[in-house]
Amino acid sequence: EPEVTQTPSHQVTQMGQEVILRCVPISNHLYFYWYRQILGQKVEFLVSFYNNEISEKSEIFDDQFSVERPDGSNFTLKIRSTKLEDSAMYFCASSDPGQGNEKLFFGSGTQLSVL
Amino acid sequence: AQSVTQPDIHITVSEGASLELRCNYSYGATPYLFWYVQSPGQGLQLLLKYFSGDTLVQGIKGFEAEFKRSQSSFNLRKPSVHWSDAAEYFCAVEGGGSQGNLIFGKGTKLSVKP
Repeated sequence: EPEVTQTPSHQVTQMGQEVILRCVPISNHLYFYWYRQILGQKVEFLVSFYNNEISEKSEIFDDQFSVERPDGSNFTLKIRSTKLEDSAMYFCASSDPGQGNEKLFFGSGTQLSVL
Repeated sequence: AQSVTQPDIHITVSEGASLELRCNYSYGATPYLFWYVQSPGQGLQLLLKYFSGDTLVQGIKGFEAEFKRSQSSFNLRKPSVHWSDAAEYFCAVEGGGSQGNLIFGKGTKLSVKP
């Protein structure tokens, strides 16, 4: 089965630093998403992205966050100035336009630790 | 607002025993419901989904789930658990916004005793 790939698997950063989390969605997918899971809490929707623009974003996705599809294969999440509370597992997902909500393919996540 | 509750944080069953993981949702309209599984170090894998029609849905790995509107529930079941089923299981409902906006429960961790 095709996979969504996320790098790195674990990232440690200092508070106030910028981080970029990288994702390679499945090649023919056109919808892309970021979710996060703070330890012990629910998986939470952050943002969806389609046709080179944000389709929807949650309250969590404030001005510190941005997403980009810099080329035909990568999808990135940037946190401009990290805070301690940004420590979480970040999941990227993508979906097929023909299936939409039916099946999101998730990556294995990037564990972000902000010190 | 939509929400999903998984009342059991951790469940332990013996290999070969039956399993039921509970999920209750809150949603104003007919929900789109999902169960995902996450093995250690892995991403979230879709087990099954309910959009409409038959309220008993079959999924991968021998799992099934039943949508009960009157109880606002979508419980996941498996008649005979295998050791490889040990993982964390997440119930989710569509958020009602753009596609892909899923609201997840907190998850139930399943341990399997030999």
